This record gives sequence, structure tokens and C-alpha cells, in this order.
Amino acid sequence: AQKITQTQPGMFVQEKEAVTLDCTYDTSDQSYGLFWYKQPSSGEMIFLIYQGSYDEQNATEGRYSLNFQKARKSANLVISASQLGDSAMYFCAMKPSGYSTLTFGKGTMLLVSP
Amino acid sequence: DTEVTQTPKHLVMGMTNKKSLKCEQHMGHRAMYWYKQKAKKPPELMFVYSYEKLSINESVPSRFSPECPNSSLLNLHLHALQPEDSALYLCASSQQKPSGGNEKLFFGSGTQLSVL
Repeated sequence: AQKITQTQPGMFVQEKEAVTLDCTYDTSDQSYGLFWYKQPSSGEMIFLIYQGSYDEQNATEGRYSLNFQKARKSANLVISASQLGDSAMYFCAMKPSGYSTLTFGKGTMLLVSP
Repeated sequence: DTEVTQTPKHLVMGMTNKKSLKCEQHMGHRAMYWYKQKAKKPPELMFVYSYEKLSINESVPSRFSPECPNSSLLNLHLHALQPEDSALYLCASSQQKPSGGNEKLFFGSGTQLSVL
């Protein structure tokens, strides 16, 4: 069974500052994918970034980067230069190869203040 | 274009009504999903279609009936729902096999369902 843990129910950050959202995972599978999604109050789940378990480089997508530490089973999301529009719920998720189910963490609500 | 379109955006229905949720994607994806999300909770998988065939049913009650008429369209037929079925229903699609570890799921904006 897979498990995703997001220990921060809520985070506050000021505009233009960087913020790290924590995610740890537990799986016995060797091949898997790690994902981060953003869900604004409008409801849409927006795909942000993906990291494969065999990728040696940390993934980056614009202002988003994923700090992947395989030995520690962590996949933290770093948002640089926060913007007001970044205020949303953020979900970490994982998907082992051979499984169709995306396992989500409980989410972290990020609030960006001016 | 990574767009998954869901209609309607909002739906209110009585417990005796029959309604349908619709999901459409034109990205050529061959896997489609229905998720249910209660407020302040993560999404929960309901159904997975792979190449237009139902591959996973996560023990969903029969009052929810999925249908995949073609590779671009996914429906969820609702009948005799209960108030506890009120939730956000999200549709998603991914490129090929649902079982691929690197399959990125792209979600629609959801249908907010209220059952009275």
C-alpha cells in the first residue's frame, strides 16, 4: 500500500518570498511517479510538476521545483517568488508503476499575503 | 492544450432524480477517470476507463453508473442519490495506460453536486 503524508495543514507566506511545502511518502515499489497538484477555490486540480523515481535531477517547472530526496522518501515542493494567485490547496500524490490509482496526501492550504 | 471540460459546473438534484455528468477531452488520451472529492479532503478514485473499457470500479454504489461512449467522452449517470453523495466530482484523463507510473493525470474543473 502507498501512503502520502503532508504534515502542514496550512502555510502562510508573503508575496515574493519562497515557500516549501512538505511531502513524504511510503511505498515498497521501486518504480513510481510523484506529482504535485494545485487546487484553487474554483475546484480545478491543476497539474504542477512530476518527478520519476529514477530521475536523478530534481524536476523544475518555471517557479516550481521539486526537492526529491529518495533515501528520505520526501518530495517537497518549492515555490519561488510567491504570487497572490498561488493561494490554493496543494496536494502531493504518487503513482507506482502497475497501479492505476493516484494516491493523494491530505493537502496543504497555502495563503499568500501582500 | 491540456483541457478537460466538465459540464455542468453545478448541479442540484433531488433523491428521486436522474441526471448525468459529462466530461470531454480532445488530447487523444486513452485513459479517463472519475474522482469524488468531499470538502477539505483529497479526491477519491471512483472509476477508471482504459481504451474505453472499464478497468477499475472502486466499489462504488450502483446508483453511480459510468459510461464511455468514445475515447473523448466520459459520462457519469446518477440515479436515486443520497444527500451524502453531495460532493465535487472530478473527471481526469491521461495519455495511455492508467498503470504507467509516469502517467500525468489532467483534471477538469469539476461538477459541484448537491443532493437534496
